[in-house]
Amino acid sequence: EPEVTQTPSHQVTQMGQEVILRCVPISNHLYFYWYRQILGQKVEFLVSFYNNEISEKSEIFDDQFSVERPDGSNFTLKIRSTKLEDSAMYFCASSFAGGDDGNTEAFFGQGTRLTVV
Amino acid sequence: AQSVTQLDSHVSVSEGTPVLLRCNYSSSYSPSLFWYVQHPNKGLQLLLKYTSAATLVKGINGFEAEFKKSETSFHLTKPSAHMSDAAEYFCVVSDLNNNDMRFGAGTRLTVKP
Repeated sequence: EPEVTQTPSHQVTQMGQEVILRCVPISNHLYFYWYRQILGQKVEFLVSFYNNEISEKSEIFDDQFSVERPDGSNFTLKIRSTKLEDSAMYFCASSFAGGDDGNTEAFFGQGTRLTVV
Repeated sequence: AQSVTQLDSHVSVSEGTPVLLRCNYSSSYSPSLFWYVQHPNKGLQLLLKYTSAATLVKGINGFEAEFKKSETSFHLTKPSAHMSDAAEYFCVVSDLNNNDMRFGAGTRLTVKP
């Protein structure tokens, strides 16, 4: 069964460092998402990406964050200068469609746990 | 913008008894609604989804949910809880006109022997 894969599963980084979280969405999916879950809190939407551009982003997704689809398979989230409060589980997701065709199910990866020290 | 309220942060049931996890949504457009489950140290797994077809939706592991537009609810139920059902459950709403899914705060389900 196709699945979304994320690497690494756990990353520890020093405050102020740049990190790149990697995701390989399901191959025929067109919409890509990043979510995060701070320990003990709800899952929060960060950004959605379609047709090589950001289609929607939340207030959390500030200038420190960027996303990229550098090739046909990877979807990355970059945090330019990490802060302690960026420590969270980051989930990547993809879906085939986002419109009214009833096929909006998003498949989630296992997550990357980012720890900023 | 759409939003979701999960009315209970923690639900505890005995094995073999029914499960009810409550969810109310707010959406400007016709919503898609989902229930995801997260087991400890695992990713998010889709249990079931509603996308404007039948209002009673059946999912995996015996779970089902009913979309009630008049009550703006999408409660998750299961007739008989199993120990393996213990997990965090998230109700999620997505408008058909955009692509970002909004998560509820989650409900932790505990199943007692």
